[in-house]
Parts: sequence; structure tokens; C-alpha cells
Amino acid sequence: GAGVSQTPSNKVTEKGKYVELRCDPISGHTALYWYRQSLGQGPEFLIYFQGTGAADDSGLPNDRFFAVRPEGSVSTLKIQRTERGDSAVYLCASGGYGSGANVLTFGAGSRLTVL
Amino acid sequence: AQKITQTQPGMFVQEKEAVTLDCTYDTSDPSYGLFWYKQPSSGEMIFLIYQGSYDQQNATEGRYSLNFQKARKSANLVISASQLGDSAMYFCAMREAGGSEKLVFGKGTKLTVNP
Repeated sequence: GAGVSQTPSNKVTEKGKYVELRCDPISGHTALYWYRQSLGQGPEFLIYFQGTGAADDSGLPNDRFFAVRPEGSVSTLKIQRTERGDSAVYLCASGGYGSGANVLTFGAGSRLTVL
Repeated sequence: AQKITQTQPGMFVQEKEAVTLDCTYDTSDPSYGLFWYKQPSSGEMIFLIYQGSYDQQNATEGRYSLNFQKARKSANLVISASQLGDSAMYFCAMREAGGSEKLVFGKGTKLTVNP
């Protein structure tokens, strides 16, 4: 597609439930990032994929959070036993390989509300 | 320690005037990149401008320019001829060379353009 697509755009769930958030990156982009943005804050890094592998998962807050990218394109962020504090907008971004001026393109985000 | 500091939670500017949004950063890496993103109320992060640590000249992109003062570790965004559509959150971000090349964001500045 032309941009980064994230689904669902909104998700309301109850405390303790399991949630999956999906990210469809720009075709051909090998790098994929997940960020979490709480109200009034900047995006916080969660995890980075280069191809299929999680190259850096140092931002995942605890073992309830997990992400996969099995074929090197679509990624799913999985949250188990959701807590109210998990409520935030989850942003996905993709980019080409390489550092420097490699610009990340962000999706519109998935807003998660845990009741 | 915070790597990106944006000290202005909110800024106001009259339409057609210029405005400067402040950003200071902290890194010991000699190679890094600095980015500014705009986030309108729709939520999507829009890339505005990039400055590399070794770039000799300040970056410019249309009405956006980056006032890069390396010794002071500041990378202020200047928006000239403000438009009503510029009203949004603005985030400064840094990427350090190597590692996951993740972007680290500041807390943002909310810009309001008044008619």
C-alpha cells in the first residue's frame, strides 16, 4: 500500500483480556518499529524488527507484551492480560534499511482503551 | 537522563508570522540524526525535516528550517509564515548511529496558530 496501515484504529477491551494490534508496513520496507504514545507524551519505543527478527525489544515494558513479524512484512503486537495502564495509542512505523536520513513513516495508530 | 528535551509545552503564533520551537538533545555519540515530526489531531506522525550531525548547513524544507547549533546541542525548528493548518503537536526526535536506529522522541510542543 501507499502508507503504513494499522488495524484496528480503535479497540476497547476489558482488563485481563488479550489484544492483537496489526501493522501493515510500506511494501519493501525492511525496518518496522512499534511505539506507544500515552496521552500528552511523545512516542516511546517498544520494539524494532529488521526483516523477520526482533533486532531490539528493549522497550517492551514486561512479558505481557510480544510482537511478531513472521514473513518480514505484516507485524502483530500482542498484549496479554491487559491492564488499565496499557491504554494508549500504539504507533507502527516502517523504513528502509540503513541509518542516517532514513525517515520513518508512521501509521495513524491503534487507540487501545482498557476498561 | 532525558535524551530529547522540549521545554515549551505550548506555543501560540499569529497567522503569517514565524515561530521557533525549541529542542535540546543529549548524546555522546558523534554520529546522530535529528528529526522533527508534526502530529495533527488526526494522530498520524508526519515527517518534516532532518539534520545529520555532520551536515555543515542547516536543513531547510519549504517553510521549515532547522537551527542546528551543535556545540549547544540544540536543534530548533523554525516555521516561517505560519498557517492555520500548522496547528498541531510537534515532536523532536534523535537517532544515534548503530544499534536499532530507533528514534527517541521528546514530549512535544503544542502549536496553536491564531487567525
